[in-house]
Parts: sequence; structure tokens; C-alpha cells
Amino acid sequence: EAGVAQSPRYKIIEKRQSVAFWCNPISGHATLYWYQQILGQGPKLLIQFQNNGVVDDSQLPKDRFSAERLKGVDSTLKIQPAKLEDSAVYLCASSLDSRDTQYFGPGTRLTVL
Amino acid sequence: LAKTTQPISMDSYEGQEVNITCSHNNIATNDYITWYQQFPSQGPRFIIQGYKTKVTNEVASLFIPADRKSSTLSLPRVSLSDTAVYYCLVGDVSFQKLVFGTGTRLLVSP
Repeated sequence: EAGVAQSPRYKIIEKRQSVAFWCNPISGHATLYWYQQILGQGPKLLIQFQNNGVVDDSQLPKDRFSAERLKGVDSTLKIQPAKLEDSAVYLCASSLDSRDTQYFGPGTRLTVL
Repeated sequence: LAKTTQPISMDSYEGQEVNITCSHNNIATNDYITWYQQFPSQGPRFIIQGYKTKVTNEVASLFIPADRKSSTLSLPRVSLSDTAVYYCLVGDVSFQKLVFGTGTRLLVSP
């Protein structure tokens, strides 16, 4: 069974630039999550989708972050404009349903200069 | 959501048993205890989950005392490849909202 795919694996941008990350969850998984993991800390949930609807985006900085999952499968997370403090690993996870085990992708390491 | 406290780091040697304890004094009746493992440059990976007493799978055992205010992840006969960060999470499994702390960095040496 293929795991959660993410791209790119690494991205370096300058502050105030825009960036987008892509996630392809495990086939059939209805729930998709985006996490932000700052160096030395545990992952922090940014947004949770159930199919193509948002379940929880309480910790998403909506002035600069946006995410979508239009067809209930793939998802993109965008940052516009980026700040230095956005430097982190962005992890995507998926689960069959919201009650099931979450499976994480390898993450995208973002460096903002 | 219940707050968890676990050691920042632990050291061990190959072949030893490692026990990582997590405190969760404010655990609620509906909360389960879940442990994840994270290797460098990878996302976290589910290890084990339990509600009370003892749970064992092919990777680890989870011991939960009757008051459920703490739990212990036990890794039998660790190898170098068990070097990772281990996260203890507590939450209502019906929502699966994972709140990660800083975890325990386990270093296994030869």
C-alpha cells in the first residue's frame, strides 16, 4: 500500500515570497491533516479536512496560510507571504476516518531566508 | 485536552529494555493514550494505543495503571534503529485530534 506522498521535499524561499505544498493521501482515506513542525518541537495541527470540507482550522494563521482539498483527495497548503518564523517541516497525514490511526507523509522542509 | 509530561531525553544501549514514562494527570474518562515514533526527516509513526492495563503488539508494550494518570511505553531489546523521538499523546479517540508535546529523544548506542 502506497503511503502519504508529499512534494516538494525541500523548499527555500525568501521572506514575503509565496510557496505551495502538495499532499496525496493514502487511497480511500477521507480525513486529511496538515501539521507544522518547528525544529525541536512536536507537530502542531494546522487544518483538518473530512473529504473536501474543513473540520478544524483553529490553529491556521488565516491571514497568510490557506489550504484546499477540492475533490476530496489531494490537498495543497499555501503560504502567502512567507515570514521567517514559517521555517519548519510541513507534514501531511491521512486516516480512513477521523477516528482512525493517522499516517504521516515524509514532510516538506521549508526554509525562509 | 490533557497535558502530557515526558522526559526530554533518554540514553540506552543495544539489547536493553527501555521504558519511557508519560504523566497525564488530567486525563479524562474518554481519553485514550497513544504513542508515536518519529525518525529524523520522517513523519511520526503510530506505535501503540491503549485505554487501561496493558497492551502489547509486535513493536512495544504499553502499561497503564488503574488511575490512568501515567503510562509507560516499553521497548524490548532496543537496537540502534530505535533511536528516535517518542511522543505520548492523550485524547478522545473519537476525534483523533493529536496534540504533540516535545517528546522524548531516545538515543541507542552500541
